[in-house]
Formats: sequence, C-alpha cells, structure tokens
Amino acid sequence: DSGVTQTPKHLITATGQRVTLRCSPRSGDLSVYWYQQSLDQGLQFLIHYYNGEERAKGNILERFSAQQFPDLHSELNLSSLELGDSALYFCASSVDVGGLTEAFFGQGTRLTVV
Amino acid sequence: AQKVTQAQTEISVVEKEDVTLDCVYETRDTTYYLFWYKQPPSGELVFLIRRNSFDEQNEISGRYSWNFQKSTSSFNFTITASQVVDSAVYFCALTLQTGANNLFFGTGTRLTVIP
Repeated sequence: DSGVTQTPKHLITATGQRVTLRCSPRSGDLSVYWYQQSLDQGLQFLIHYYNGEERAKGNILERFSAQQFPDLHSELNLSSLELGDSALYFCASSVDVGGLTEAFFGQGTRLTVV
Repeated sequence: AQKVTQAQTEISVVEKEDVTLDCVYETRDTTYYLFWYKQPPSGELVFLIRRNSFDEQNEISGRYSWNFQKSTSSFNFTITASQVVDSAVYFCALTLQTGANNLFFGTGTRLTVIP
C-alpha cells in the first residue's frame, strides 16, 4: 500500500458528461501529481500541485482542471468527456518538489467513457 | 527535451532465467533522477528504485539489480532467477531537479515469466 488513495477505482460515464476524480496524498506529502495512462499515449503528466498551488502543467486538455485543497487532497475534473478520454488516471504524491524524493502512486481510477 | 526509451516492448522468459530490461534516457540537464516502476496486472504503479545522476554505483536489492551508466545514458534493470510474480509491465522514468519536476516515462516493457 503506497499510502496514496484514489477514488473511485472505476468510473463509467457517457460522452459529454463531467466527472471528478479524487486523490488523498500520503500523510505529510505536499506535492500531488496527476498522470493519464492510455494505450496510445502511454503515461503522460497532466498537472502538479504543491501545497495548494499549481506548479506545472503537462499535456492537460483545457476540458480538464484540477485543484488542491487546504487539507492537501486533490481533485481532477474532466468535462465534456470524449471516448478518447477513457484511460487510467493516476495520482502521485511526494514530500517535496521534483525528483528529490520518491513519488508514490495511488491505485488509479479507471475511467471508461461510453 | 527529455526522453526515455525502452526499446523492448515485450519479453518472455522461463521461470528462473535472468532477464535484463533496457532503459536509455536523454536529457541535457546534469542533475536528474532515474526511476523504475512496476505495474502488475492489478494496475497500480509500484516504486522500485530511484537513482540520482551523481551516483553511478550499481545497486542490488534481493533478486533485483540496476546498472546505471552515464557514458551510455542507460539505466538497465536485471531480475535474477525470475519468478511468475515478476510478470508485469516495467517502466523506466526520468525527472529533473528543475522545471516541472514531473516524471517522463518510457513506454514500458511487458515481462512475462512462464512457469
């Protein structure tokens, strides 16, 4: 158990809908990263939050947004969903910024858009 | 730009054989960190090792060993006496000390250990 909790584990929704994925980092970790794993794109970095502030964006679509709350949990919001958004979405947390420490991943949320 | 290449898409070995998973990386930064993660069939990403760019010592952890060579920009992973439980997809990844600090992942190598 990595200590990173993601909910829900599975999500099935229709095109055009909006969903929210939730991530609780390990106790004490200030950094939260979101990644998308799809068959065609592999593991892609989406966005990074550190202590409530957005630190960096990767290949995140404009239809997607995220935030990190004062209790350090994070939510990834996906809207106007398309079939191509079907993927495994991972959250990772680390104590501080960057590669200075290990990044521990949650079990992922498998999103299926039908 | 940063890039991680895992040229081996799939590898099959018979149980108890040794297997090496290759990883080649590209970066212009002098300070960086290399990782290996395991993704078993259940789907989670399990951290295996982190190496910084200034530490070229090889590391051994049980049946796992890692060979980091800056001269060839490689960070290879060897499993000795493979077991069925080693069957998984293995990802090599790179992160920098500067910039976005995110992990750049390779495309992964699917290892199947045949009993």
